[in-house]
Amino acid sequence: DTGVSQDPRHKITKRGQNVTFRCDPISEHNRLYWYRQTLGQGPEFLTYFQNEAQLEKSRLLSDRFSAERPKGSFSTLEIQRTEQGDSAMYLCASSAYRQGIRQPQHFGDGTRLSIL
Amino acid sequence: DAKTTQPTSMDCAEGRAANLPCNHSTISGNEYVYWYRQIHSQGPQYIIHGLKNNETNEMASLIITEDRKSSTLILPHATLRDTAVYYCIVRTLYGGATNKLIFGTGTLLAVQP
Repeated sequence: DTGVSQDPRHKITKRGQNVTFRCDPISEHNRLYWYRQTLGQGPEFLTYFQNEAQLEKSRLLSDRFSAERPKGSFSTLEIQRTEQGDSAMYLCASSAYRQGIRQPQHFGDGTRLSIL
Repeated sequence: DAKTTQPTSMDCAEGRAANLPCNHSTISGNEYVYWYRQIHSQGPQYIIHGLKNNETNEMASLIITEDRKSSTLILPHATLRDTAVYYCIVRTLYGGATNKLIFGTGTLLAVQP
């Protein structure tokens, strides 16, 4: 199965530490998205890339958050100086964009971040 | 993108059809209806989408009313593995509008043995 892959699946860290998550999209997909999901809520959009360009960022993406997609393939999401409120599931999705038509987004199983 | 309204939870007996409603009364002419589901501890899974005609795939059927203000996702023979939160989302397919999916809180479908 060549679906969206996220690593690690779980991360526990102390408040104030930096963390980095990785997402490997479906290989032929040129769009990649990051979402955050807290308990009992639906996923909330953070940012998205088309190839290596970051084209949209949510107001949820504070200065402590940075995302990259250096060669238009895998992406990383880094959180600096983590806070209790950063505890959540971080989801990655990818999709194709062909002939002006958005294809459905396909999600990975997320990285669950717990801040002690 | 238009907002959607879904019941908070529903029950369904195993082997029976599960019919999940969604209201999207402010949907515009170029917005499609998408359905995703999220099984516990997994990421959302794409199910189906449609504009105005009924759609069917190997997972489900999507029935959209003629005025497009509501739709129903049908799982024809629900199994215990269909227990999940089901999200109805409307969005455009074209153009420069935002590419994000806007999730509500969805419907928790509990399939009972």
